Amino acid sequence: GEDVEQSLFLSVREGDSSVINCTYTDSSSTYLYWYKQEPGAGLQLLTYIFSNMDMKQDQRLTVLLNKKDKHLSLRIADTQTGDSAIYFCAESIGGGSQGNLIFGKGTKLSVKP
Amino acid sequence: NAGVTQTPKFQVLKTGQSMTLQCAQDMNHNSMYWYRQDPGMGLRLIYYSASEGTTDKGEVPNGYNVSRLNKREFSLRLESAAPSQTSVYFCARRGIGRDIGYTFGSGTRLTVV
Repeated sequence: GEDVEQSLFLSVREGDSSVINCTYTDSSSTYLYWYKQEPGAGLQLLTYIFSNMDMKQDQRLTVLLNKKDKHLSLRIADTQTGDSAIYFCAESIGGGSQGNLIFGKGTKLSVKP
Repeated sequence: NAGVTQTPKFQVLKTGQSMTLQCAQDMNHNSMYWYRQDPGMGLRLIYYSASEGTTDKGEVPNGYNVSRLNKREFSLRLESAAPSQTSVYFCARRGIGRDIGYTFGSGTRLTVV
């Protein structure tokens, strides 16, 4: 069945780059997402990438997609303490932008001063 | 989170009590979801609704019922609460068109004692 895998923890120092990795299984996924969850809050859409793209950059965020290996990564440049949160990778199953999402278990990013 | 409102934010129940978690969206999108979030388990889908009047079981539906009486509201009911249902519950709606991905509510933190 569909599954999204990501490591559970990542710790970096303030100012360093963070890279959060994710693997997914549905090759027909046309959209892949990164969500951010701050303590005590719901998930918020951080960014997404369409499957015909290899890379998407948005300010400090860079998303890389390797469709052959079904590997997605999120790079946060110049990581700040405010970036400490749980980051969820999600794939859209069934194709299109309207498919149901399958979420990974989340990667908890800790940023040390 | 803008777009999806959940009530209550916190609740403590005794084992065997019942309650309904309310969720309302500010749009008329078809698809709505209920998830529970537990440490180390990520998000697990309880039920979802593809349209008004229809509901489907997700990964962990036992012990829950849902109701989608209109497009805006999707409620989750615990008929006889158990300590295993202690969790944080999130409601979400799926966007359409440029409103891509899911919009989550801010969650209901439920403790069953």
